[in-house]
Amino acid sequence: QKEVEQDPGPLSVPEGAIVSLNCTYSNSAFQYFMWYRQYSRKGPELLMYTYSSGNKEDGRFTAQVDKSSKYISLFIRDSQPSDSATYLCAMSAFASTDKLIFGTGTRLQVFP
Amino acid sequence: DVKVTQSSRYLVKRTGEKVFLECVQDMDHENMFWYRQDPGLGLRLIYFSYDVKMKEKGDIPEGYSVSREKKERFSLILESASTNQTSMYLCASSSLQGHGYTFGSGTRLTVV
Repeated sequence: QKEVEQDPGPLSVPEGAIVSLNCTYSNSAFQYFMWYRQYSRKGPELLMYTYSSGNKEDGRFTAQVDKSSKYISLFIRDSQPSDSATYLCAMSAFASTDKLIFGTGTRLQVFP
Repeated sequence: DVKVTQSSRYLVKRTGEKVFLECVQDMDHENMFWYRQDPGLGLRLIYFSYDVKMKEKGDIPEGYSVSREKKERFSLILESASTNQTSMYLCASSSLQGHGYTFGSGTRLTVV
């Protein structure tokens, strides 16, 4: 079993839809959770960074962590065609020198 | 704008060649990483470094070596390129304070 599981998609939604992207994990020591966005033929860019459980909002993006269920989510409101990308979740037990464990990514396509 | 710069976006090499992939970061980050990314397999860690002249093997180090002579520069070396090393190579860096990785734009390497 992988430490981090992520549905590869693709997920195809109409413009303006609310998108929900999810990851599950098995290591209860994980405390730091991230979402990266990766456009085609580019490197991943950090979208959201959260510590422990709870919600964090940044514009149209909301990251949610449920440590009791070992489940994290990224919600995108009012999705735009420019949101079409692959979204990777990542997590670690420590902030500093710990290696990140990545999900394999979910490909999202938002059509006009 | 802080950056991780990878020397080449696209590279074509012949089987058996020695290949150097260069990565430079301007954020004074202590940690640097090399990943390869393949469809369906996600990001796989090749090597990482927490300090100058220090290196640690990741999950798939076979066929690769690294060099970190200066804090800002982390080089990946393919000693004798093979076709199964055709992939997207991503360099990343992070600080001791954590807050996720900053990735370069990637090098798409094709070995023929």
